[in-house]
Amino acid sequence: GENVEQHPSTLSVQEGDSAVIKCTYSDSASNYFPWYKQELGKRPQLIIDIRSNVGEKKDQRIAVTLNKTAKHFSLHITETQPEDSAVYFCAATVNFGNEKLTFGTGTRLTIIP
Amino acid sequence: DAGVTQSPTHLIKTRGQQVTLRCSPKSGHDTVSWYQQALGQGPQFIFQYYEEEERQRGNFPDRFSGHQFPNYSSELNVNALLLGDSALYLCASSFRGGSPLHFGNGTRLTVT
Repeated sequence: GENVEQHPSTLSVQEGDSAVIKCTYSDSASNYFPWYKQELGKRPQLIIDIRSNVGEKKDQRIAVTLNKTAKHFSLHITETQPEDSAVYFCAATVNFGNEKLTFGTGTRLTIIP
Repeated sequence: DAGVTQSPTHLIKTRGQQVTLRCSPKSGHDTVSWYQQALGQGPQFIFQYYEEEERQRGNFPDRFSGHQFPNYSSELNVNALLLGDSALYLCASSFRGGSPLHFGNGTRLTVT
């Protein structure tokens, strides 16, 4: 089955700097890659997603890049703010709409004021 | 527009007991998936229900079972609870897989 590895497990950045979180996946058939943000005691919330027919997607300060050849995808957060502090999870699935997401182990991002 | 709602929010059970968790999907959604999130880990897929049938299942034993009702709400049942079943159980809904998953706040299950 699919296996998703996520790095780093913890990340601290100064407010205003950029943060990058990287994930690799094992199943070359995976074609949908969402990112979720989970604040302490709250539900995971989708922040951005990308399909395999696209190499990059941006939404304001957040961007995701996908390298199908290398089977890795990354989350980029620019101009970080204190409210960006949370745990971020990447995920992958073989068929968009399959909903059997395989999640990474998470990255705890701390923004230092 | 109500999002995904789960009940109860917290639950404490004793090893060997049985538990039932409940989920109501987001309005307009007809598919419900259940995930188990152990402390410090990412969510792990348990199973998915659509049209009142289990459509997909992850690597979980038969002690984990579920049900979907005609109004699309769902239950997760766990029998013969083990200490290792302690986790946050997340319900997620979508419309026929065509939309991204929307998660509920989860039920925190503690097995003592």
